[in-house]
Amino acid sequence: ETGVTQSPTHLIKTRGQQVTLRCSSQSGHNTVSWYQQALGQGPQFIFQYYREEENGRGNFPPRFSGLQFPNYSSELNVNALELDDSALYLCASSLGAGDSYNEQFFGPGTRLTVL
Amino acid sequence: AQSVTQLGSHVSVSEGALVLLRCNYSSSVPPYLFWYVQYPNQGLQLLLKYTTGATLVKGINGFEAEFKKSETSFHLTKPSAHMSDAAEYFCAVVKIIFGKGTRLHILP
Repeated sequence: ETGVTQSPTHLIKTRGQQVTLRCSSQSGHNTVSWYQQALGQGPQFIFQYYREEENGRGNFPPRFSGLQFPNYSSELNVNALELDDSALYLCASSLGAGDSYNEQFFGPGTRLTVL
Repeated sequence: AQSVTQLGSHVSVSEGALVLLRCNYSSSVPPYLFWYVQYPNQGLQLLLKYTTGATLVKGINGFEAEFKKSETSFHLTKPSAHMSDAAEYFCAVVKIIFGKGTRLHILP
């Protein structure tokens, strides 16, 4: 059983560019959630995908978008990057969605730096 | 609206001493509560969770937490700190709203 993997591990972009981050969920999990963790802060919920549909969204602008594929892997896209988008982006997979209390398994994260 | 407050962004304890990390929540409905640990350059790992039933929850690595509804608290404890416990600890409430974290330092 493989865990949650994320790619790339590190990324450097410039302001205004676009970025795509990828996440492979743990085997058997149908739900992926994305979080942004700024330096010294707790993770902030961006959105969740359940069976390829968006199932909840945090307080992030529309330039943060996502996608979930039939194999339940997921992408996070961020357009028009801003300096404040520099953060660790965490992906977590679970079985079940929404208010489920099923454990979320986290990947190691992608460290995004915007210059 | 649900929220989580962790008291103390940094906590230092001596090796072998009691660890107490504080978490208070606000929720209009019975909450599901979690504690996660994050080691440097790693993702989050679940320590323990409270859903329903017994209010004293035991987790991994010797940690436990007690849900106290009257105090809206879910403090994390460990009787004897080990150097390997040095990490960032996050309290969370579903829909997975995280506190800002408490960095635990273990003094030799």
